[in-house]
Amino acid sequence: DVKVTQSSRYLVKRTGEKVFLECVQDMDHENMFWYRQDPGLGLRLIYFSYDVKMKEKGDIPEGYSVSREKKERFSLILESASTNQTSMYLCASSFRSGRRNEQFFGPGTRLTVL
Amino acid sequence: GQQLNQSPQSMFIQEGEDVSMNCTSSSIFNTWLWYKQEPGEGPVLLIALYKAGELTSNGRLTAQFGITRKDSFLNISASIPSDVGIYFCAGPAGGTSYGKLTFGQGTILTVHP
Repeated sequence: DVKVTQSSRYLVKRTGEKVFLECVQDMDHENMFWYRQDPGLGLRLIYFSYDVKMKEKGDIPEGYSVSREKKERFSLILESASTNQTSMYLCASSFRSGRRNEQFFGPGTRLTVL
Repeated sequence: GQQLNQSPQSMFIQEGEDVSMNCTSSSIFNTWLWYKQEPGEGPVLLIALYKAGELTSNGRLTAQFGITRKDSFLNISASIPSDVGIYFCAGPAGGTSYGKLTFGQGTILTVHP
């Protein structure tokens, strides 16, 4: 079974702190994704990576950065957390685009910024 | 960009009832995916469809890839309380997508015992 793990299920941080969210997958997937999920707004793509050290902006990259130094690990960084970044953060992974677009998600990190 | 319209937005049903939801796209898809997200968890892939007209079942769940390739349907038969959650449809984002998906807004399902 595909396994995607996220470093924390719940996180509470203060405004201005630097926040690291880690994601690890064990299926040798080329693609990895970071989404945020807010009520009424669905799943919104923040950043994705299709290879080591490669990254592309998603729909809402402002206030975020990412790092992919190893194939299995994709980190989301909030350089200076703000209250409007309080949200559920979901990591996903998949094989590179082809016939099978299935993404597999981690359990999510619920981040609260005070 | 591509848009997915998913309906209904929410459903309140009694245990034992059947459920139907659907998703329509503004463009043709070659893949339809259906996910379920339980409260406080990440989405889990339920069914993947790759061929127009395809009908695939997973237990009490059945999904169909519409003939026009612009829609898909998910049915749940004889609902039970553990069916509660948000159901999302998804399809390829199009263009040089690198495997990106576009998601519907989700159908929130509540099942009363």
